[in-house]
Amino acid sequence: GAGVSQSPSNKVTEKGKDVELRCDPISGHTALYWYRQSLGQGLEFLIYFQGNSAPDKSGLPSDRFSAERTGGSVSTLTIQRTQQEDSAVYLCASSPGQGIWSYTFGSGTRLTVV
Amino acid sequence: KNQVEQSPQSLIILEGKNCTLQCNYTVSPFSNLRWYKQDTGRGPVSLTIMTFSENTKSNGRYTATLDADTKQSSLHITASQLSDSASYICVVSDRGSTLGRLYFGRGTQLTVWP
Repeated sequence: GAGVSQSPSNKVTEKGKDVELRCDPISGHTALYWYRQSLGQGLEFLIYFQGNSAPDKSGLPSDRFSAERTGGSVSTLTIQRTQQEDSAVYLCASSPGQGIWSYTFGSGTRLTVV
Repeated sequence: KNQVEQSPQSLIILEGKNCTLQCNYTVSPFSNLRWYKQDTGRGPVSLTIMTFSENTKSNGRYTATLDADTKQSSLHITASQLSDSASYICVVSDRGSTLGRLYFGRGTQLTVWP
C-alpha cells in the first residue's frame, strides 16, 4: 500500500481481556517497529523486526506483550490480560531496511482499557 | 543514559510569526537526528533528517540546525501558519547498535493562533 496501515484505529477493551493490534507496513519495507505513546509521554520503543533476523524485544514492558511478523510483512502486537496502564496510542513504523533512515509511521491504534 | 530533551514543552505564537524549538541529546554514539511533525490523531511525519556532518537543512519553511559538538539541534519555523499547530518531536538514532535504535523526545506542542 501507499502507507503504513494500522487497525483498528480505536479499541476499547475491558481490563483483563486480550487485544490484538495489526500493522501493515509499506510493501517491500523489511524493517518494522512498534512504539507506544502514553498520554503526556514521549514515544516508547517496544519491538523491532528486521527481515528474517530475530526481533529486538528489549522494549516490551512485560511478558503480557508479544508481537509476531508473518511472512516478513504484516505484524500483530498482542497484549494479554490488559491493564489500565496499557492505555496508549500504539504506533507502527516501517523502513526499507538497516542503514536506511527513512521511517514511515502509521496513524496508530488508540487503546483504552476500562 | 541515552536521552533526548526538548524545550519548550509547549508554545503559542501568532500566525505569521517565527519560532524556534530546541532539542538537546545525550545519545552516544550518534548517527542521525530527525525532526517529526505529529498532528493530533496522526502518526509522526518526517520533516528533516540530519547526519553528523550536516549543520543545517531546510524543508520549506522549516530549517533544522545541528551542533554535534554540543549535542544540540533546533527547528526554526518561519512565517507560521495555522496548519503548523502540532507536536514537534526530536528523534535521535545511535549507531552503537546494528539495529539503529531511535530515542524520542517528548515533543513541543506548538499552537498557532490567528
